[in-house]
Amino acid sequence: GAVVSQHPSWVICKSGTSVKIECRSLDFQATTMFWYRQFPKQSLMLMATSNEGSKATYEQGVEKDKFLINHASLTLSTLTVTSAHPEDSSFYICSAALYGRTGFLGYEQYFGPGTRLTVT
Amino acid sequence: GIQVEQSPPDLILQEGANSTLRCNFSDSVNNLQWFHQNPWGQLINLFYIPSGTKQNGRLSATTVATERYSLLYISSSQTTDSGVYFCAVTLTGGGNKLTFGTGTQLKVEL
Repeated sequence: GAVVSQHPSWVICKSGTSVKIECRSLDFQATTMFWYRQFPKQSLMLMATSNEGSKATYEQGVEKDKFLINHASLTLSTLTVTSAHPEDSSFYICSAALYGRTGFLGYEQYFGPGTRLTVT
Repeated sequence: GIQVEQSPPDLILQEGANSTLRCNFSDSVNNLQWFHQNPWGQLINLFYIPSGTKQNGRLSATTVATERYSLLYISSSQTTDSGVYFCAVTLTGGGNKLTFGTGTQLKVEL
């Protein structure tokens, strides 16, 4: 249980184009999903919190007009990288929050397999 | 913001050895998770452990929230344990946002 999928798993695009990444919770509903970015040999950095039916909350330093997030349903959030540039090349990972699954009264995050974006 | 430091940064073990990974955090937290990131990048949930001790097979974890640290024990290590281990915390009063630690890169050799 608590499976999260991402699509595509990898994508190569040309500079200036836009890329959409989908994140789905397959066997549970998630009012909150998160988007992270990871550079090689580094830790995960939170980009934004995606709330179903409302605007995403972006972390400081993350351009909201460049990284568009839409959480249209309780099982789907999308991240669109607009006008991509080579410096946007990275590993993008989403997670979905599930409450109380392991006995503690709190939210546990489950992660998708990630999307490797290369901008040429 | 909260600082989450993990030690050691790198660790090489012979198969069958035991190890302890440490996670120190600088502020009060109400959630702590341990993850294993495999070589393909997938994060696998190991423990959700804001306090106390849990065990799952060869792995166990202990969090002492009042002293701001957590430990992950790996016993009888196997080559499939290789990868990066992250702890991640949620700051008290910080909603559900996870702040990830610096990670421990583990390599288990035959």
